[in-house]
Amino acid sequence: AQSVTQPDIHITVSEGASLELRCNYSYGATPYLFWYVQSPGQGLQLLLKYFSGDTLVQGIKGFEAEFKRSQSSFNLRKPSVHWSDAAEYFCAVGRGDDSKLTFGTGTRLQVTL
Amino acid sequence: DAGVTQSPTHLIKTRGQQVTLRCSPKSGHDTVSWYQQALGQGPQFIFQYYEEEERQRGNFPDRFSGHQFPNYSSELNVNALLLGDSALYLCASSSGTARGYTFGSGTRLTVV
Repeated sequence: AQSVTQPDIHITVSEGASLELRCNYSYGATPYLFWYVQSPGQGLQLLLKYFSGDTLVQGIKGFEAEFKRSQSSFNLRKPSVHWSDAAEYFCAVGRGDDSKLTFGTGTRLQVTL
Repeated sequence: DAGVTQSPTHLIKTRGQQVTLRCSPKSGHDTVSWYQQALGQGPQFIFQYYEEEERQRGNFPDRFSGHQFPNYSSELNVNALLLGDSALYLCASSSGTARGYTFGSGTRLTVV
């Protein structure tokens, strides 16, 4: 069965500092990987996704993520965090022929000014 | 272009009651999936509807059922509500695979 681990429950960074959110997955085949962001009381917004090809993917709001098959990881990065980036971030994995997504438990990002 | 619309936004029900949640998919999408997000957790897949049939189901009891209409809109029904059913219920629409998922803002269900 597929699974996703987000080891950091809560991260605090200063505005302007760099950010890296960790995501590890367990999957038996080539995964389809996603990062979503959720503001309080809201739905999920897709930041970026990886299916194949270049292992460094660019997303919206200046985010990027790198797929590392050898480490089963798909970490999310941003070079300079803005106060508006404070939210909950979810990593998810799916199959190419299966629309079900399995989500991690999320990482709450707090940004200090 | 409207995205995914869910109604109602908030709902309070009593234990043992039944509830129906509604979802209108994004224009051009024909597949609707439902997720349950308990407080402090990631979303959990409930089921997916395509061509008015349940195509896939997660690990949820039969108390959770759904329906998809010819216009692709969908309903999630939960019978015999338990306190543990309190959660944010998210609807996501897509056209085919999860690559095109668009999520709604959710329905916050509170069971008292």
